[in-house]
Amino acid sequence: NAGVTQTPKFRILKIGQSMTLQCTQDMNHNYMYWYRQDPGMGLKLIYYSVGAGITDKGEVPNGYNVSRSTTEDFPLRLELAAPSQTSVYFCASSYDGLAGGTDTQYFGPGTRLTVL
Amino acid sequence: AQSVSQHNHHVILSEAASLELGCNYSYGGTVNLFWYVQYPGQHLQLLLKYFSGDPLVKGIKGFEAEFIKSKFSFNLRKPSVQWSDTAEYFCAVKGGGATNKLIFGTGTLLAVQP
Repeated sequence: NAGVTQTPKFRILKIGQSMTLQCTQDMNHNYMYWYRQDPGMGLKLIYYSVGAGITDKGEVPNGYNVSRSTTEDFPLRLELAAPSQTSVYFCASSYDGLAGGTDTQYFGPGTRLTVL
Repeated sequence: AQSVSQHNHHVILSEAASLELGCNYSYGGTVNLFWYVQYPGQHLQLLLKYFSGDPLVKGIKGFEAEFIKSKFSFNLRKPSVQWSDTAEYFCAVKGGGATNKLIFGTGTLLAVQP
């Protein structure tokens, strides 16, 4: 298993540009998540999905969009990039067999995004 | 709302020193607690987790953590650190609800000097 993979690893955007961060997992996990990590701030949840076709906002969703058309893929879209979106983005997945389950989240290697 | 506090933002130790990183959470109900580690340039990996049962949890690489419900704490410990333990450590809590969301602390950056 490759686990959770993310592309690209690095990207520089100009203000106002758009891009999609890709995330794929091959563990048949039903839950998937997007976090951003900023120095001294820990990880903040942007969006999450409990299964294909179902997504919901996390703590910091503004400026982002997601979709979940398949179990494996959970792309994160930035429509109008802003300097405040400069961050490291991590995708994660977990398997939750029951509502309120407690399984471990597995993280991808991250995408380092700079908006100039 | 749930929150997690890691009071030590930056810790510097010499090899063979003992380590204790503090983690306190605020949530009145049943919680599940996690410690993740992020080595330089790498992604987060699970060190250990507490769901129920024995409050002393042992993880990988000689780490352990103790859940003290009365103190709302889940401190991470290691008796003797190595240079390879240099990393950032994140405490996380999952409280009630069906979404499996984790709330992360701000992290503790550990630097171990050889």
